[in-house]
Amino acid sequence: DTEVTQTPKHLVMGMTNKKSLKCEQHMGHRAMYWYKQKAKKPPELMFVYSYEKLSINESVPSRFSPECPNSSLLNLHLHALQPEDSALYLCASSQNGQLNQPQHFGDGTRLSIL
Amino acid sequence: ELKVEQNPLFLSMQEGKNYTIYCNYSTTSDRLYWYRQDPGKSLESLFVLLSNGAVKQEGRLMASLDTKARLSTLHITAAVHDLSATYFCAVDKNYGGSQGNLIFGKGTKLSVKP
Repeated sequence: DTEVTQTPKHLVMGMTNKKSLKCEQHMGHRAMYWYKQKAKKPPELMFVYSYEKLSINESVPSRFSPECPNSSLLNLHLHALQPEDSALYLCASSQNGQLNQPQHFGDGTRLSIL
Repeated sequence: ELKVEQNPLFLSMQEGKNYTIYCNYSTTSDRLYWYRQDPGKSLESLFVLLSNGAVKQEGRLMASLDTKARLSTLHITAAVHDLSATYFCAVDKNYGGSQGNLIFGKGTKLSVKP
């Protein structure tokens, strides 16, 4: 079990659906991240939130919309996704400003777009 | 643009043998991380390396960092089957910044056979 909790674990959706991925951590971390990982590939950074503000958007299409309602929660809203968006979506958190601390990853949401 | 290269990408080892995984990166960075990922699972932090000459050891794994050569190594001593996994190095391209922007290598898939 990890200290970063992601729900749901699996999600199947059509291209016209709207859904959300959720991530929660209670370690007091003030930096939170969304990554996308395709099969047999490394994780790729999508978004970074620092102190609940979006600080990095790695040119992610607008059909992915992140939200950080408070310091413990991170959401990823999905709308009009494409089949190539099928992947494992990983959330991570870290202690902002603590360079000697790694990012802690959740177990991920495995997303399939029909 | 920061590039992170790992080699080898695939490694089949016999139990009891030693081997080294290499991670090269292309631009200056002050943070390098090693992660382990088991199939279908999340990423587990192994090591955080912050300074030139840093060496860290945990069990049969030892990681080192040479910032001048832009090279990190992960050395496996007397491999056992439980070490079978994919190992990623990741370099933070947010040089001097307070939160991470990790670029991952492609990963080394390690298989330890009896």
